[in-house]
Amino acid sequence: AQSVTQLGSHVSVSEGALVLLRCNYSSSVPPYLFWYVQYPNQGLQLLLKYTTGATLVKGINGFEAEFKKSETSFHLTKPSAHMSDAAEYFCAVSEAGGSYIPTFGRGTSLIVHP
Amino acid sequence: DTGVSQDPRHKITKRGQNVTFRCDPISEHNRLYWYRQTLGQGPEFLTYFQNEAQLEKSRLLSDRFSAERPKGSFSTLEIQRTEQGDSAMYLCASSRAEANTEAFFGQGTRLTVV
Repeated sequence: AQSVTQLGSHVSVSEGALVLLRCNYSSSVPPYLFWYVQYPNQGLQLLLKYTTGATLVKGINGFEAEFKKSETSFHLTKPSAHMSDAAEYFCAVSEAGGSYIPTFGRGTSLIVHP
Repeated sequence: DTGVSQDPRHKITKRGQNVTFRCDPISEHNRLYWYRQTLGQGPEFLTYFQNEAQLEKSRLLSDRFSAERPKGSFSTLEIQRTEQGDSAMYLCASSRAEANTEAFFGQGTRLTVV
C-alpha cells in the first residue's frame, strides 16, 4: 500500500530564505509524485509532479522537487521565500499499475516571517 | 477554462439531517474523486468514479454516505443522518483516466454539523 510522510507539521522561514519541505513516500511499485498547495478555505492547486524521466522537476512559483528513489524522497524546495508562499503544502503519491488513486500526506504549514 | 466546481461552498446543518453536495468536474475528465479533509489533516480518499462507474470506496465511507455520478458527468455526495463527526471540508477532484495525470480540485464544501 502507498503512503506519504511529511516531516514537520509547521516550517517557519524568513522572507528571502531557503524553503525546504520534506516528503517521504512508500510504494510497492514505481510512484507518481505530486506537490499541491492549499490557501485558506480553498481547494488544492498543483505545484509540480514527477511521473517519469528527469528526477529534478520544476513547478510554478519558483518551486522545484527532486525524486530520489534510493531515499524514497520527494522534497520540495524554493531558493527564496516570499510572503505569498505562506500556505499549506501537501505531498501526494499514486502508484503506476494500480488504481492510481492519489494518497496525501498530512501537510506542512509554511510560515513566512518578514 | 472552467475548473471543478462544488456547490454549496458552505453548509450548516443540524445533527440527524441529510445533506447533499454537488460536484461538476472538468468536462473532458473521466475520473472523479471525493475526499474529506479535517482541520490540520491532508485529504482522505472517500470514493472515485470512472465515468459513471463507482470503482472504489474507502472504509471511511460508512453506509450513511452515498455517491452517484449519473451519466458520467456531475456527481453528488449525500450524507444521511449527519453526525458532528461528519463536520469537515469535502473536496471533489477530477482527472483524465491516464495514470500519470494530476487531479484538479474544486474549492470544497465545508460542512458544519451542529
